[in-house]
Amino acid sequence: EPEVTQTPSHQVTQMGQEVILRCVPISNHLYFYWYRQILGQKVEFLVSFYNNEISEKSEIFDDQFSVERPDGSNFTLKIRSTKLEDSAMYFCASQKGEGANVLTFGAGSRLTVL
Amino acid sequence: QQPVQSPQAVILREGEDAVINCSSSKALYSVHWYRQKHGEAPVFLMILLKGGEQKGHEKISASFNEKKQQSSLYLTASQLSYSGTYFCGTDHTSGNTPLVFGKGTRLSVIA
Repeated sequence: EPEVTQTPSHQVTQMGQEVILRCVPISNHLYFYWYRQILGQKVEFLVSFYNNEISEKSEIFDDQFSVERPDGSNFTLKIRSTKLEDSAMYFCASQKGEGANVLTFGAGSRLTVL
Repeated sequence: QQPVQSPQAVILREGEDAVINCSSSKALYSVHWYRQKHGEAPVFLMILLKGGEQKGHEKISASFNEKKQQSSLYLTASQLSYSGTYFCGTDHTSGNTPLVFGKGTRLSVIA
């Protein structure tokens, strides 16, 4: 069964460092998302991406965050200068098309900021 | 508009039934149910669409009451493997608005 692949599975970084989280969505999917889950809490929407541009973003997705799809397969989330409160599990998800389609999540990238 | 889930947590013995509720203050187009095991990604269970029928997945089924803007997930004859956190995700239009998830219901099934 097709799956969403995320790397790294776990990254530890120092506060203020830049981090890039990578995702390979399912190949025929058109909509891509990043969600974040702080330990023990709910899954929070960060940003959605369609047709090579951001379609929607939440309040969490401030100027420290950026996304891009550099090569037509990878979908990356960059955090420019990490803060302690960025420590969380980051999930990438993809969706086939419009309407109420199933979101398929990747296994997540755990980010720990020290 | 974050949906509200209840209860926050429930403990069941194997074979018992449970109901998890998800409600919204805004009209719903669809409700998605996911289960997340500790340290893993959320896994899709089922989707209910406005005007659609009740769905089922083995011993897990769900209903969607459009008038009350709520959905319920029914787990019957629970198994140990049902343990996890159940999230409902909602959207309010037929376009590709991102799902907004509730805070989750932690279900623990014990032998």
